[in-house]
Amino acid sequence: EADIYQTPRYLVIGTGKKITLECSQTMGHDKMYWYQQDPGMELHLIHYSYGVNSTEKGDLSSESTVSRIRTEHFPLTLESARPSHTSQYLCASSERGSFETQYFGPGTRLLVL
Amino acid sequence: DQQVKQNSPSLSVQEGRISILNCDYTNSMFDYFLWYKKYPAEGPTFLISISSIKDKNEDGRFTVFLNKSAKHLSLHIVPSQPGDSAVYFCAADLSGGSNYKLTFGKGTLLTVNP
Repeated sequence: EADIYQTPRYLVIGTGKKITLECSQTMGHDKMYWYQQDPGMELHLIHYSYGVNSTEKGDLSSESTVSRIRTEHFPLTLESARPSHTSQYLCASSERGSFETQYFGPGTRLLVL
Repeated sequence: DQQVKQNSPSLSVQEGRISILNCDYTNSMFDYFLWYKKYPAEGPTFLISISSIKDKNEDGRFTVFLNKSAKHLSLHIVPSQPGDSAVYFCAADLSGGSNYKLTFGKGTLLTVNP
């Protein structure tokens, strides 16, 4: 069973606020990911990291930023939240190697008013 | 342009019967496939995977079949239980499963009726 945690689980916030979504994993995985998912739609990769000090943008353009200062921690920040950012944000991690399986956290459901 | 397609948005089956969830893909370079189960407001949970060197993988009630020539895979759940009711996502990976991302389908909502 994967140990990957996300906080907060739910967040309702006003437009223009700065928010940080936390993601931590205790498995020592090198790779970490952020996905965005809307109901009835596929998961879209918005950021990923191969390890400490490595961050890359994913396929879906996002106004969010990420950092990877420690192996276990991969926070996502929105400097100025907008209603269009309303979505579910899912963090995942995987161990480097062949046929990797990504393990997901419980997600953060964000509502921007 | 979706590279992984789950053409059935929903599926309803009776408890104890077989559930068959289908997935098609267009990129012949995909070589590792995964199924995830997702409850509302939770993250996806890994169920089962298969690499392209196999055509079948089994884990308890879950079996995944891969037909590379048809670019098609399916997940069989036997027997289906009410707790299996969830959205099931098919995902695919490249490069021996060590690519930086998974490509997901849109999911199929499975409802198992008691």
